[in-house]
Amino acid sequence: DSGVTQTPKHLITATGQRVTLRCSPRSGDLSVYWYQQSLDQGLQFLIQYYNGEERAKGNILERFSAQQFPDLHSELNLSSLELGDSALYFCASSPSDRYLGEQYFGPGTRLTVT
Amino acid sequence: GNSVTQMEGPVTLSEEAFLTINCTYTATGYPSLFWYVQYPGEGLQLLLKATKADDKGSNKGFEATYRKETTSFHLEKGSVQVSDSAVYFCALSTAPGAGSYQLTFGKGTKLSVIP
Repeated sequence: DSGVTQTPKHLITATGQRVTLRCSPRSGDLSVYWYQQSLDQGLQFLIQYYNGEERAKGNILERFSAQQFPDLHSELNLSSLELGDSALYFCASSPSDRYLGEQYFGPGTRLTVT
Repeated sequence: GNSVTQMEGPVTLSEEAFLTINCTYTATGYPSLFWYVQYPGEGLQLLLKATKADDKGSNKGFEATYRKETTSFHLEKGSVQVSDSAVYFCALSTAPGAGSYQLTFGKGTKLSVIP
């Protein structure tokens, strides 16, 4: 158990809808990262938040957005969903400083868009 | 930009066989290198890491050495077990800005170990 929790575990929704994925980082970790894992694209970094502020952006679509709240949990919002958005979405967290890049992953949310 | 190339799978081995999964990388700056493992139905777990040239990361019988001259970080295990069946990801981390770390992953190599 990495200490990172994600809800829900599974999500099935229709095209055009909007969903919110939730992540709670390990106790004490200030950074949260979101990744998308799909068969064709592999693991893609989406976005990073550090202590409530956006810190880095990867291959995140404009239809997607995220935020990190004062209690450090994070939410990833996916809107106008398309079939191609079906994937596993992982959240990861890491300590605030003096670490060497390793991240701790949650169990993931499997999103199916029908 | 940064990239990681690892050998395509799937790899099927008999129990107690020797395992090598090749990984090479391209990066600006001086990356940290990682192997992550994903067991069926689970998230990724950090398996081992190395942060500078010639460092050897090791864990659970797995080893990998950071080779700057060949930009490689190959994963090895002397004797695999059925419980090692999983997908293995090579990754690198760079820090483009203060407090900003990004992991770049390879495509993953699926390992199946048969009794």
